[in-house]
Amino acid sequence: QQQVKQSPQSLIVQKGGISIINCAYENTAFDYFPWYQQFPGKGPALLIAIRPDVSEKKEGRFTISFNKSAKQFSLHIMDSQPGDSATYFCAASAAGGGNKLTFGTGTQLKVEL
Amino acid sequence: DAGITQSPRHKVTETGTPVTLRCHQTENHRYMYWYRQDPGHGLRLIHYSYGVKDTDKGEVSDGYSVSRSKTEDFLLTLESATSSQTSVYFCAIRADPQETQYFGPGTRLLVL
Repeated sequence: QQQVKQSPQSLIVQKGGISIINCAYENTAFDYFPWYQQFPGKGPALLIAIRPDVSEKKEGRFTISFNKSAKQFSLHIMDSQPGDSATYFCAASAAGGGNKLTFGTGTQLKVEL
Repeated sequence: DAGITQSPRHKVTETGTPVTLRCHQTENHRYMYWYRQDPGHGLRLIHYSYGVKDTDKGEVSDGYSVSRSKTEDFLLTLESATSSQTSVYFCAIRADPQETQYFGPGTRLLVL
């Protein structure tokens, strides 16, 4: 059972546009929600993360929006650049039990000139 | 790369043969993880370790075993490889006391 559902599967955005990727979770025990960026042939790299005590977190052009009641969170990439073209994964974990991450299925983002 | 190396980086093997993948870290982190990445599934946890000789199962542990005899090394073994274990395998460490996990470069395994 997929506990973290991610959409869309792929996304094409024009340079300078806003990229939006959405995730929904089921397990109410989740309390840590990171986003990872992965380039071909590389391991995932942490981009930004949020905890449910805040509704939004911004780091540069990247913003996480979090809706605890809806059990949803999203990644917004402002002023998208060709260098942002990568696969993005949302994830979630619960405190204790090894803080095991449950990942979404990934979104392949392409930013076109 | 958080001081994580994986070996080998690429491997081709035949069905039924044993395979061991190695994850090595240089920063003495307590928690280490093994994930596999497959199209349409994202990354799925196989096993993790919370200390020397302390390990536990993840979501997709069947057909895999792990060992951790030293803090710096976490080994993943496929006792008898099957074609369904063709995948990219990633090791990760957790940087205590944060919950952030940092990933290694991955091992691409093809089971023929």
